[in-house]
Amino acid sequence: AQKVTQAQTEISVVEKEDVTLDCVYETRDTTYYLFWYKQPPSGELVFLIRRNSFDEQNEISGRYSWNFQKSTSSFNFTITASQVVDSAVYFCALLQLTGANSKLTFGKGITLSVRP
Amino acid sequence: DVKVTQSSRYLVKRTGEKVFLECVQDMDHENMFWYRQDPGLGLRLIYFSYDVKMKEKGDIPEGYSVSREKKERFSLILESASTNQTSMYLCATLRDRGVQPQHFGDGTRLSIL
Repeated sequence: AQKVTQAQTEISVVEKEDVTLDCVYETRDTTYYLFWYKQPPSGELVFLIRRNSFDEQNEISGRYSWNFQKSTSSFNFTITASQVVDSAVYFCALLQLTGANSKLTFGKGITLSVRP
Repeated sequence: DVKVTQSSRYLVKRTGEKVFLECVQDMDHENMFWYRQDPGLGLRLIYFSYDVKMKEKGDIPEGYSVSREKKERFSLILESASTNQTSMYLCATLRDRGVQPQHFGDGTRLSIL
């Protein structure tokens, strides 16, 4: 069975600090996809990144970076020089391709608060 | 740009009422999903649909049903609302079977009194 664990439930940092959000996943599939979504107070989930299981290259997008390590089944997300606008709930998710369908399994989310 | 519209942002209903949550998309996506989000539990899949009149149970379908009579609209129905169905409900869409990210609506915060 698929599982996504986000062990951190709430993180609070002061603006300009770096922060890392952890994500550990379990799957028996050899082909799978990992996602990070951001949910600001407005409620809508905003897609941040997708990574497939064959691409272990780390990715950087501005202040955001992602570290994918298959050896530890982790897909961690780092925000550098955090800002108040980064305050949100962040979800890690695992996509399983099942026959003709696909199923997304979410972690429980991490609430990040960035204080001025 | 992709647009997923949920009919209400906030809804208050009473125990035993039949409740309809509506979701409309404008991208001609085949797949639509209903999730509920609860603190400490993340998002859990209730039902999904891969085509008009097609539906599949998700992880927590009990107490819910769905309807998809047209491609652009996916309705979640609480046949007889109960207080434990107080939650945030999120609709999402996806083109094809694909590995693209799902697109989410703003959510409906439903309170059952």
